[in-house]
Amino acid sequence: KNEVEQSPQNLTAQEGEFITINCSYSVGISALHWLQQHPGGGIVSLFMLSSGKKKHGRLIATINIQEKHSSLHITASHPRDSAVYICAVPPTYNTDKLIFGTGTRLQVFP
Amino acid sequence: DAGITQSPRHKVTETGTPVTLRCHQTENHRYMYWYRQDPGHGLRLIHYSYGVKDTDKGEVSDGYSVSRSKTEDFLLTLESATSSQTSVYFCAISERRIIGNSPLHFGNGTRLTVT
Repeated sequence: KNEVEQSPQNLTAQEGEFITINCSYSVGISALHWLQQHPGGGIVSLFMLSSGKKKHGRLIATINIQEKHSSLHITASHPRDSAVYICAVPPTYNTDKLIFGTGTRLQVFP
Repeated sequence: DAGITQSPRHKVTETGTPVTLRCHQTENHRYMYWYRQDPGHGLRLIHYSYGVKDTDKGEVSDGYSVSRSKTEDFLLTLESATSSQTSVYFCAISERRIIGNSPLHFGNGTRLTVT
């Protein structure tokens, strides 16, 4: 069983739709990272969260530590949101490493 | 954007040749990482550094070595490139330990093809 699993693997949406991407993990963690990889390949850190919810613009990330699950929501999606969204967690509580999911490829059409 | 430059951006090399990829940062961050990204896999850690001359192995370190003689530079060397090392390589930096909830900042990647 992969330690970090994302769903769905691929997602298409019409502009304006509400998007949800899920991340489940099997390890104990201190924080979960959400990253965005642009079509050109660049990777940007979106959120780090260890509890509750964080919001940045139209992006909202939530985490449930007890259920080992996090969601990334995009409100009022736009074609420029088209990217691969990746979650990552540290495999133990005392580490400098991250385990990455394989990503969710999102395409938003006008 | 964090000042991270990877060079070269693209490289094609032959099996058996040595290859060095460079990551240069202007942020004075202590931690630097080399990852590879392959279809069907998440980013996988090759090596990382927690200071000048302080490095450690990641999960896929076989066939790779690293050096960090200055805070700003982290070099990844493939001593004898193999076709299985064809990949996109990303350098990343962080100010503090990941366990300290420090965000990662990534370079733009190097696409390496070994023929």
